[in-house]
Amino acid sequence: DARVTQTPRDKVTEMGQEVTMRCQPILGHNTVFWYRQTMMQGLELLAYFRNRAPLDDSGMPKDRFSAEMPDATLATLKIQPSEPRDSAVYFCASGFLGNEQFFGPGTRLTVL
Amino acid sequence: QKEVEQNSGPLSVPEGAIASLNCTYSDRVSQSFFWYRQYSGKSPELIMSIYSNGDKEDGRFTAQLNKASQYVSLLIRDSQPSDSATYLCAVTRGDLNAGGTSYGKLTFGQGTILTVHP
Repeated sequence: DARVTQTPRDKVTEMGQEVTMRCQPILGHNTVFWYRQTMMQGLELLAYFRNRAPLDDSGMPKDRFSAEMPDATLATLKIQPSEPRDSAVYFCASGFLGNEQFFGPGTRLTVL
Repeated sequence: QKEVEQNSGPLSVPEGAIASLNCTYSDRVSQSFFWYRQYSGKSPELIMSIYSNGDKEDGRFTAQLNKASQYVSLLIRDSQPSDSATYLCAVTRGDLNAGGTSYGKLTFGQGTILTVHP
């Protein structure tokens, strides 16, 4: 049963701390997306990669957020330093040649 | 104007009825259209994709696309309480950086909350 996996599932941290979220895309998928979901803003695209190369990270606050794909089986999203306004659910999704995307279970981040 | 608009609802229908969910989009070069279902506290789950004008049926679900009117809808027949969820419309356009091939950069609507009551 191919699924996108994400860790951690829940993260509570204090303002100013570094947060790293990890995602393992579905094997064979070559496109990976990071989304953030809040009640106010809904689902927002933060960044996405194709064949591990970043294609667009315009949705991400550049000064504190960074996204990488060290290899085809791992995507990371880092926030440093974290702020209370970063509290949200962060989803990773993967697909092949775009179009249909499959979401992971998400990381619920709370920054105190 | 938002790129993808949905009525936030809540839409309430009785069990067994047809639920009709609507979505409009502003970008005329949009190519692919998707409906996701999201249960409370869960991640979005892809339930339908449609790429050309007309209807596409899958079980109790029918997606309808009208590119001239920039309109896509989802019909759920014989609605069940288990269909109660938020339904997200998503749209993607061609990615010019890739020579027009879509890389699936989705734009989501705000979602419609559907409640099916027994």
